[in-house]
Amino acid sequence: SAVISQKPSRDICQRGTSLTIQCQVDSQVTMMFWYRQQPGQSLTLIATANQGSEATYESGFVIDKFPISRPNLTFSTLTVSNMSPEDSSIYLCSVGNDKRGRETQYFGPGTRLLVL
Amino acid sequence: GESVGLHLPTLSVQEGDNSIINCAYSNSASDYFIWYKQESGKGPQFIIDIRSNMDKRQGQRVTVLLNKTVKHLSLQIAATQPGDSAVYFCAENIKGSSNTGKLIFGQGTTLQVKP
Repeated sequence: SAVISQKPSRDICQRGTSLTIQCQVDSQVTMMFWYRQQPGQSLTLIATANQGSEATYESGFVIDKFPISRPNLTFSTLTVSNMSPEDSSIYLCSVGNDKRGRETQYFGPGTRLLVL
Repeated sequence: GESVGLHLPTLSVQEGDNSIINCAYSNSASDYFIWYKQESGKGPQFIIDIRSNMDKRQGQRVTVLLNKTVKHLSLQIAATQPGDSAVYFCAENIKGSSNTGKLIFGQGTTLQVKP
């Protein structure tokens, strides 16, 4: 399985500011995804990061709030913009090699964000 | 609507006993399912997966059962150990646009192993 790292591992931010989270994979992957996990809850897909084109966002998530970049097959960033305390969550990236989603996705360790 | 849910939010078992974690899914078109284990402070870790053309798949100390008739998935852990204590999530592959797929996660079950 791919080795996935995320930076930062955690952060405490002030409301109104923005934070960019990086996801780095040790091998080229077809698919990269970003998830949010609110405290004590399950994972919710934010968007699929597409290489060379705009990300595909899920219902309830918009590009202005969560801009995503994917410049190549091993790297992606998620920005949480104009943060509020409700954005306090764990943000996880995952990777997979099947566009149809019929193979395993592997997850990074997550970025723990607290917004004051 | 689309949903994947778990029957029990918390499961407490004695060390050495077998554990069974259940999951219900609602999308009959889903064709791939995964179980993940998430320990405190870590990202989800892949345990085992199963495709819809199978009813059962076994790994090391774990077995996944799929009942498509009632849209039910279960994870069985044999001889549960303290290191198995974690939150367990089932995930279901939902077909998206352009022949892509995405994972929808269940609520999660906390497994507590008593020594």
